[in-house]
Amino acid sequence: EPEVTQTPSHQVTQMGQEVILRCVPISNHLYFYWYRQILGQKVEFLVSFYNNEISEKSEIFDDQFSVERPDGSNFTLKIRSTKLEDSAMYFCASRYSTDTQYFGPGTRLTVL
Amino acid sequence: QKEVEQDPGPLSVPEGAIVSLNCTYSNSAFQYFMWYRQYSRKGPELLMYTYSSGNKEDGRFTAQVDKSSKYISLFIRDSQPSDSATYLCAMRISNQFYFGTGTSLTVIP
Repeated sequence: EPEVTQTPSHQVTQMGQEVILRCVPISNHLYFYWYRQILGQKVEFLVSFYNNEISEKSEIFDDQFSVERPDGSNFTLKIRSTKLEDSAMYFCASRYSTDTQYFGPGTRLTVL
Repeated sequence: QKEVEQDPGPLSVPEGAIVSLNCTYSNSAFQYFMWYRQYSRKGPELLMYTYSSGNKEDGRFTAQVDKSSKYISLFIRDSQPSDSATYLCAMRISNQFYFGTGTSLTVIP
């Protein structure tokens, strides 16, 4: 069964450093998403991406964040200058056209 | 004001019990309603989705939506220890999804 994959599974970085989180969505899917989940808190929407551009973004998704689909298969989330409060699980998700949104296993980001 | 409210629990039931999980919402523009299951340190897994008021059944799971009351429920019949997880409600407007905080469920053998 096709699945969303994410790398790395765990990323440790120093405050102020740039990180890139990578996702490979399911191949025929059209809509792509990034979410974050701070430990013990709710899953929070960051951004949706469709037709090679950002479709919607939340207040969390400020100028420090960017997304790219550089090669038609990968979908990346870049955090330009990480802060301590960026420590969280980051989930990528994709869907075709129905509401069956498939989530990846997540990348745990730890900012020291 | 929170868009989606969900009682975080924790909820603990004996095996075989009927479980009722609930969410309320404030935005009448929500179009689609979903329930996800999340195991510890894993991504959410879609259980059910619906877009209309009423009930939708899938095996031991029943999703219920009451748009007039802005209230959705998930019922789990004959609960099993493998149902122990966090259950998240989610709602969609356009291409943006809003999640509840999740209810932690433990089914005791």
